[in-house]
Amino acid sequence: SAVISQKPSRDICQRGTSLTIQCQVDSQVTMMFWYRQQPGQSLTLIATANQGSEATYESGFVIDKFPISRPNLTFSTLTVSNMSPEDSSIYLCSVSAGTVETQYFGPGTRLLVL
Amino acid sequence: AQSVTQLDSQVPVFEEAPVELRCNYSSSVSVYLFWYVQYPNQGLQLLLKYLSGSTLVKGINGFEAEFNKSQTSFHLRKPSVHISDTAEYFCAVRFRGSGNTPLVFGKGTRLSVIA
Repeated sequence: SAVISQKPSRDICQRGTSLTIQCQVDSQVTMMFWYRQQPGQSLTLIATANQGSEATYESGFVIDKFPISRPNLTFSTLTVSNMSPEDSSIYLCSVSAGTVETQYFGPGTRLLVL
Repeated sequence: AQSVTQLDSQVPVFEEAPVELRCNYSSSVSVYLFWYVQYPNQGLQLLLKYLSGSTLVKGINGFEAEFNKSQTSFHLRKPSVHISDTAEYFCAVRFRGSGNTPLVFGKGTRLSVIA
């Protein structure tokens, strides 16, 4: 398994500002994933982040809005740019570890945009 | 394309009663199957998984699930629920042999255990 931490755990932000969320894993992993969970909804994949290459974004998500960094095998950041109230969600970091098919999740970052 | 359907958005059940949370999937290839639980104000925790072998898998907290290939289902069950089982439960799939492609999630089922 993998232990994943995220910072911040929660934040309240003003419209038009940006927030960078950090994800730290206790072991080296090849791929990291970023998900969004809007209020009362399921998880939607934002992007897949490989170390040393550009992130791969899902339909409906673009790099200008959600830039991702993956500087090494244990760390990644997701930035939510030019925020609006519609960006209010839980943002979750996830990795595949141990048995390659199994994904583990961080505790999430709860974002409220006013 | 893969999809996951959780037929019940909410399931209320009395404490100590049995419960079944339903999950069906659609895929043209074989899949790996997972159930995750999300307690209030927390992240997702892996409950159990089916990768291969026995179709009946046991997970944490007394939960189990059975993979039924012919019905493309992976229903979650517990014979006697506790108040502490109140949470959101997500079914998820991943293609076999697809390396590290991410999970596809169902919409979730909110289990409410009533005292």
